[in-house]
Amino acid sequence: AQSVTQLGSHVSVSEGALVLLRCNYSSSVPPYLFWYVQYPNQGLQLLLKYTTGATLVKGINGFEAEFKKSETSFHLTKPSAHMSDAAEYFCAVSAWMDSSYKLIFGSGTRLLVRP
Amino acid sequence: EPEVTQTPSHQVTQMGQEVILRCVPISNHLYFYWYRQILGQKVEFLVSFYNNEISEKSEIFDDQFSVERPDGSNFTLKIRSTKLEDSAMYFCASRGQETQYFGPGTRLLVL
Repeated sequence: AQSVTQLGSHVSVSEGALVLLRCNYSSSVPPYLFWYVQYPNQGLQLLLKYTTGATLVKGINGFEAEFKKSETSFHLTKPSAHMSDAAEYFCAVSAWMDSSYKLIFGSGTRLLVRP
Repeated sequence: EPEVTQTPSHQVTQMGQEVILRCVPISNHLYFYWYRQILGQKVEFLVSFYNNEISEKSEIFDDQFSVERPDGSNFTLKIRSTKLEDSAMYFCASRGQETQYFGPGTRLLVL
């Protein structure tokens, strides 16, 4: 079975500060990993993904994440937070070995950006 | 850029009533999904659909739920007799290769 743990339901940073959102996963097979962002009253937008190949992946809006197999982690970072980054962020792992490729989500981290 | 659309954006219904949530997936995608998010909780998988049949469903997806692709473009989720605990945001997604693209969701409120 696969699972995702996101440490910290809320993270608060100052504008211009480093953003670090933590995600750890459990998977019996090489995982496909995703970060989605949800702005208030909107759907889930893909930020970035890791499937195979380069372990440092870059996404939209200046975000990036690094797949670390030894740590079973896929933390999301951004060097400098912007007010518009305030949203909820979800880490997910794909059950690609099943026929469905369903996504299993973490509980989410709400990012607050202080002026 | 192609996107997944969902209607209605909001639905209020009485307990015991039937509701149908509609989705139009991205046109060249073949795999479709429904997820739900109860307020303040994580996004949960409900069902996946491929080649006009369910490929996987969760424990949540009991006999009260059904899915259908009635006309080759729409993908619907029906809840036959709604319960208070069905109140949630329901997301449709369609998959191209390994990535799922989500619609904006339908917020369902059961009174």
